[in-house]
Amino acid sequence: QVQLVESGGGVVQPGVSLRLSCAASGFTFNNYAMHWVRQTPGKGLEWVAYIRHDGNKKDYADSVKGRFTISRDDSKNILYLQTNSLRIEDTAVYYCATDRAIYWGQGTLVTVSS
Amino acid sequence: ENVMTQTPLSLSVTPGQPASISCRSSLSLLYGDGKTYLYWFLQKPGQSPQLLISELSSRFSGVPSRFSGSGSGTDFTLKISRVEAEDAGVYYCMQGLQLPYTFGQGTKLEIK
Repeated sequence: QVQLVESGGGVVQPGVSLRLSCAASGFTFNNYAMHWVRQTPGKGLEWVAYIRHDGNKKDYADSVKGRFTISRDDSKNILYLQTNSLRIEDTAVYYCATDRAIYWGQGTLVTVSS
Repeated sequence: ENVMTQTPLSLSVTPGQPASISCRSSLSLLYGDGKTYLYWFLQKPGQSPQLLISELSSRFSGVPSRFSGSGSGTDFTLKISRVEAEDAGVYYCMQGLQLPYTFGQGTKLEIK
C-alpha cells in the first residue's frame, strides 16, 4: 500500500534552515508528481510546492518562493523540501502528498520561534 | 489564485440524518478533457487529510457509498446521506486544476 513518511521537522529559531524528507513506498515513485502542503491552525491548508515526476518542473507558493526548494531522489524514493530563512509564520505541520493530493503522509511539525 | 469558499464552516448533525457541504470556486474547474478537478477530503482529529472524492464525483477506494459529490463549473456539494459517528471531523474541498492548488477553509462536522 502507498506509504509516505515525513521527517526532519523540529523547533528552530527564525532565520535557520531545515531539510524535510518524505520517504515514499508502495508505488512507482518516479511516475508521479509530488507536493508539499502545510497546515497551520490559523490559515488551514496551504499548498507549498510542486515537483513534476521527472523533476524538470517545480513551482512554489508566493509565500515561500526564493526560500524553499523542492527536490527528489528517485533512486531512494525520497522527496525533499529545503526550507531556508525560516520565519515565525512558517510554523506548521508539513505534509507530502502525491499528485492531486490523493495520498498524504502523517506530517512533520516545524516550529519557528525565538 | 483560485479562491475556494466553503459553507457552512460548521454543522452539527444527528446520526442517521443527512448532511451537505457547499464549496464555490472563483474559477471554473472544468478542464478541456471533460474532467472537473474538484476534490473532497476529511481530516479526522489527529490525522492527516484523507481523500474522499476525486474529480467532482468519484469516490476514492474504500469510501462508503453514503458520501457523494456533485456540482459543475464553480459550485459543488458534498453530501452524506446518513451521517455516522465516524464521519466527525473537518471536511475540505480543494481545486487541483491549476497551481497553486487551493483549499476551502474547512467545515467542521460535529455528531450530536
